[in-house]
Amino acid sequence: DAGITQSPRHKVTETGTPVTLRCHQTENHRYMYWYRQDPGHGLRLIHYSYGVKDTDKGEVSDGYSVSRSKTEDFLLTLESATSSQTSVYFCAITGTNSGGYTFGSGTRLTVV
Amino acid sequence: KQEVTQIPAALSVPEGENLVLNCSFTDSAIYNLQWFRQDPGKGLTSLLLIQSSQREQTSGRLNASLDKSSGRSTLYIAASQPGDSATYLCAVRELPSGGSEKLVFGKGTKLTVNP
Repeated sequence: DAGITQSPRHKVTETGTPVTLRCHQTENHRYMYWYRQDPGHGLRLIHYSYGVKDTDKGEVSDGYSVSRSKTEDFLLTLESATSSQTSVYFCAITGTNSGGYTFGSGTRLTVV
Repeated sequence: KQEVTQIPAALSVPEGENLVLNCSFTDSAIYNLQWFRQDPGKGLTSLLLIQSSQREQTSGRLNASLDKSSGRSTLYIAASQPGDSATYLCAVRELPSGGSEKLVFGKGTKLTVNP
């Protein structure tokens, strides 16, 4: 989607290595989110941010950390990747409490 | 805890048919409800956003309704086409509770429109 990009689009990594996924937005939106999508579980919230250096945990935050040092960038780090973290990761943004969400195109991560 | 349920999980219809996708949610304390479309291997595309104070929204052949008191929403697709084949996701944006605020998703309805 225009205004939000995720990188990389695909990544294969080995168990135990750290991995960082990047979400970049050009909309100057306050809220940013990281979700993972898995068959049978749907989309689940990992972490979210409501401003620079303001972040909070979602329902599946174990093994993940985030950082937001600038409005436009929200980084998701897998501290020590495990096979259970093989998934498709989506970033989302929204500007206000009443606004809709816009999603990025996703990052397909495979941990071998 | 908010739970969002979508029925049916999968639906196959012939081209040209009008159809309804259902979404229900357990907690009516929401900001809004959003319908998305997801094509295989792709991201989510927003279709319609309904604020909690609204009853319905329309975009082209799509019409979404919201009954917040009963915890239900429907997505109506008129004159379906093969290009409508995708997974349709319903999501509610919760009001903050204890500092948390998030979009809660259903697991989707996979729609196949046959030529």
